[in-house]
Amino acid sequence: ETGVTQSPTHLIKTRGQQVTLRCSSQSGHNTVSWYQQALGQGPQFIFQYYREEENGRGNFPPRFSGLQFPNYSSELNVNALELDDSALYLCASSLTSGAGDEQFFGPGTRLTVL
Amino acid sequence: AQKVTQAQTEISVVEKEDVTLDCVYETRDTTYYLFWYKQPPSGELVFLIRRNSFDEQNEISGRYSWNFQKSTSSFNFTITASQVVDSAVYFCALSGALHFNKFYFGSGTKLNVKP
Repeated sequence: ETGVTQSPTHLIKTRGQQVTLRCSSQSGHNTVSWYQQALGQGPQFIFQYYREEENGRGNFPPRFSGLQFPNYSSELNVNALELDDSALYLCASSLTSGAGDEQFFGPGTRLTVL
Repeated sequence: AQKVTQAQTEISVVEKEDVTLDCVYETRDTTYYLFWYKQPPSGELVFLIRRNSFDEQNEISGRYSWNFQKSTSSFNFTITASQVVDSAVYFCALSGALHFNKFYFGSGTKLNVKP
């Protein structure tokens, strides 16, 4: 069984640029959640996708957007990058979108904005 | 509001010592779920345990044990006879039944186990 994978591992961008991060969910999982983890902090929920629809969103501006594809893989897009966007971005998949379902996390993408 | 507090920022122990990581949560949901995850330096969050709000039984898994007390809104994690491989950041998380499957994480406790 393949776990959650994310690409790229590391990324360096400059302020104002746009970035796309990718995530492949674990086999059989139809729900993907994205989290932002700043250095020394706990992960903060960005949004969740369930069967290709956004299922819920945290306190992030609209320049953070996403997609989920028919195979349940997902993308996180961030426009107009700011220095504070530098963080580890974690993707998690779960069997369903139901509360309490265990979330399986990928290794993350470390984004540095200069 | 949903909130998780991990007041211990960093703990250092010597191998074979027992250590307890504290977690205090806030929620208005009557049905909710609590989790512990381990984050080694590689960055990937590793699932350790899930408890629902209706099950206050303590749980033991090898050297790990968890104490869930609704009366004090706490879900503490104890490692017995710690090992160097236990060194990591540990996160407590909360998911409420009224908030789909959104996880609220605490700020984490970094555990350093020295040989």
